[in-house]
Amino acid sequence: QKEVEQNSGPLSVPEGAIASLNCTYSDRGSQSFFWYRQYSGKSPELIMFIYSNGDKEDGRFTAQLNKASQYVSLLIRDSQPSDSATYLCAVKPRPGTASKLTFGTGTRLQVTL
Amino acid sequence: GAGVSQTPSNKVTEKGKYVELRCDPISGHTALYWYRQSLGQGPEFLIYFQGTGAADDSGLPNDRFFAVRPEGSVSTLKIQRTERGDSAVYLCASSATGTSNEQYFGPGTRLTVT
Repeated sequence: QKEVEQNSGPLSVPEGAIASLNCTYSDRGSQSFFWYRQYSGKSPELIMFIYSNGDKEDGRFTAQLNKASQYVSLLIRDSQPSDSATYLCAVKPRPGTASKLTFGTGTRLQVTL
Repeated sequence: GAGVSQTPSNKVTEKGKYVELRCDPISGHTALYWYRQSLGQGPEFLIYFQGTGAADDSGLPNDRFFAVRPEGSVSTLKIQRTERGDSAVYLCASSATGTSNEQYFGPGTRLTVT
């Protein structure tokens, strides 16, 4: 079982719709969860992070965390063509371990006109 | 302010050669990370520095890989006797401290071993 799992996609949504990106993780002790956006040929760009159960909103983006289900998601409202990218989920391990991030393979999002 | 910078942006080398990749973190950031990303994969952790010391080098694949950060700022990733399987994008990230949540990535160095 991979430590962080994401559907590779592509996930195709029409412009203006809500895009829902999902991620599951295997280490129940994981503490912090991150979403990065990566355009083709570019490096990952941090969108937001979450560490408490529930929702965290930032503009058109909402991160949702359910530690009991070991599940984290990213919702993008009013999707725009410029949101077309690969979205990487990353997990920070339990306290007391190194601060490395463990990434999933990413979900490719395509926002269509 | 300036973000994380990495040089060179591209490096093509022959199998068996030695290469050095440089990372200049965001000013004042004490934590520095190296990751490697292959096509279609997420970044894979290599090594983490807190200040001048390597706090975790568990991701280095073998002893051909080595990294230094002698003054606690710029870091160099060194790869000896390069192999074709080392071809990837090498990403550097920094954060304000080792426990800070936000890690900011540089543009990466694309290494191609022929």
